[in-house]
Amino acid sequence: NAGVMQNPRHLVRRRGQEARLRCSPMKGHSHVYWYRQLPEEGLKFMVYLQKENIIDESGMPKERFSAEFPKEGPSILRIQQVVRGDSAAYFCASSPGTVGLSTEAFFGQGTRLTVV
Amino acid sequence: AQKVTQAQTEISVVEKEDVTLDCVYETRDTTYYLFWYKQPPSGELVFLIRRNSFDEQNEISGRYSWNFQKSTSSFNFTITASQVVDSAVYFCALSEARTSGSRLTFGEGTQLTVNP
Repeated sequence: NAGVMQNPRHLVRRRGQEARLRCSPMKGHSHVYWYRQLPEEGLKFMVYLQKENIIDESGMPKERFSAEFPKEGPSILRIQQVVRGDSAAYFCASSPGTVGLSTEAFFGQGTRLTVV
Repeated sequence: AQKVTQAQTEISVVEKEDVTLDCVYETRDTTYYLFWYKQPPSGELVFLIRRNSFDEQNEISGRYSWNFQKSTSSFNFTITASQVVDSAVYFCALSEARTSGSRLTFGEGTQLTVNP
């Protein structure tokens, strides 16, 4: 059973370009979470999605960032018009249900975005 | 609001020493879950343990042990007889039962370096 797959592992973008980060959850997992880790910092929640629905996007910047989790295919985190401050590691996690008593979130290896 | 504090930014020990990583949390919820994750130099996040707020029993897994004390809102992690391979950043995280999608709030992490 493959784990959470994120691609690309490393992404370099020039200022003003768009970045697309992909996340394929573990088989059977319908809950996806995106977190951002700025250099030398902990992980910060960005958005929580279930298939075709955004459940909680309270951690998403108001502009330039969007996320989707279509019925078919991976979850996508999209950053438009990237700026240097977007340089970070972006982690995706998935779970089969609500994280808590009986399950935890499984994390991918992250995508390291560098904006030059 | 939920908050996790890992006061130790960096810890350096010599191999075979015991080391304890501190974690203090804040939450208004009576039902919550606590986690520890390990982030080795390769960058991925490795799940170590999950604990719910109703289970204060300490847990031991090999060289790892966890001490959960609700009275002091702490969930400390001890590595016995540390090894070089334990060198990593360790994150403590909290999830509240009533939070939508059970998103995780992470501490800032403790960088553990085990020297030979």
